Amino acid sequence: GQQVMQIPQYQHVQEGEDFTTYCNSSTTLSNIQWYKQRPGGHPVFLIQLVKSGEVKKQKRLTFQFGEAKKNSSLHITATQTTDVGTYFCAGPGYGGSQGNLIFGKGTKLSVKP
Amino acid sequence: KAGVTQTPRYLIKTRGQQVTLSCSPISGHRSVSWYQQTPGQGLQFLFEYFSETQRNKGNFPGRFSGRQFSNSRSEMNVSTLELGDSALYLCASSLAGRQETQYFGPGTRLLVL
Repeated sequence: GQQVMQIPQYQHVQEGEDFTTYCNSSTTLSNIQWYKQRPGGHPVFLIQLVKSGEVKKQKRLTFQFGEAKKNSSLHITATQTTDVGTYFCAGPGYGGSQGNLIFGKGTKLSVKP
Repeated sequence: KAGVTQTPRYLIKTRGQQVTLSCSPISGHRSVSWYQQTPGQGLQFLFEYFSETQRNKGNFPGRFSGRQFSNSRSEMNVSTLELGDSALYLCASSLAGRQETQYFGPGTRLLVL
């Protein structure tokens, strides 16, 4: 079945360093969503990408959707301690045992001040 | 609009007991999905309800069940609890499901002793 894979699983950075997480799908995606879960919190929607090659920015966060719509990335410039958390990508599921969204396992980011 | 609410927030049970968790979606949202989150396993899809009907079901044993009421509130039940059921149980609501953005509740943290 369809899979959404994320790497790396963990990333430890020094405050001020950049961070990137990658999401890859076994199939072409119609769209991809990104969520952030702070420690002790719940996933919160960040953004959705729909178009091939799309790039969207939210302050220090840059989201990209690959040309083939099978991969995506989230890049954070000059990390801050407030960026700590787990970042999930999610691709469309097609119902059944997958549900409506298939989540990657997430990348857990820790930032050392 | 009020967000997704879940009760209780924390629960301690012993093996063999059963538990019922509750989720109230955002007003107007008719789709409610449930996820189990454990360290290293990411978000595992349990089931989705829409208009009081289970529309999708993940690969979990029959001990896990749920239902949805006419006001879209949803409950999930786990019978004959096992140690491995200890997890954060998250519900997420959306207008109609179908790959839309999901809005997560704070979760119920279940500990089985």
